[in-house]
Amino acid sequence: EVQLVESGGGLVQPGGSLRLSCAASEFTFSSYDMHWVRQAAGKGLEWVSGIGSAGDTYYPGSVKGRFTISRENDKNALYLQMDSLRGGDTAVYYCARGFGVSSGQFSYGLDVWGRGTAVTVAS
Amino acid sequence: SYELTQPPSVSVSPGQTARITCSGDALPKRYAYWYQQKPGQAPVLVIHKDSERPSGIPERFSGSSSGTTVTLTIIGVQAEDDADYYCQSADSSGHYVLFGGGTKLTVL
Repeated sequence: EVQLVESGGGLVQPGGSLRLSCAASEFTFSSYDMHWVRQAAGKGLEWVSGIGSAGDTYYPGSVKGRFTISRENDKNALYLQMDSLRGGDTAVYYCARGFGVSSGQFSYGLDVWGRGTAVTVAS
Repeated sequence: SYELTQPPSVSVSPGQTARITCSGDALPKRYAYWYQQKPGQAPVLVIHKDSERPSGIPERFSGSSSGTTVTLTIIGVQAEDDADYYCQSADSSGHYVLFGGGTKLTVL
């Protein structure tokens, strides 16, 4: 079964850092674009970052310069390094797979999701 | 900034048809995707590329596109369809991903 499992969430103080990980299994990880999406309690979904199969990265303005997405294809792993964290970053963070095998165009549909890992930024 | 606009809520009785719209300027140029999310669960893809249904998604779910609006239609709504629904697409570059604000579908 295709699966994504996030880890690394927890409580961190404002201004601190946290690194999230996502372990992928049962598909050819290196062939897919990957994403992080977050959801604050009671709020909607917010795209946080994406990385192409070739390693190209994309961010919204709200996290650009603070968050870094990366991948290790030989470990089937996706990461999100989060620095300068703020209270507004408190959310459940989901790892998700881009729709379809990468074809050169960034795949922004998300066909497989993990169960999420919770991040709380508070003093 | 580019946005996708959805109605906050839609209510229907069981067996009726629910339609959830999503509007955005780049939708004529970018595919839309729809997700269903139930409380405490991760989102599930129910429609991809405007109107395609993934395997395992019931036939009562369908999608359509017209100009700057895409629509998720559920024909013969069932109690289990009570959930939040999100549309998703990208800007004209295809590199900035965004979600609509979500629509709470209530099955009366």
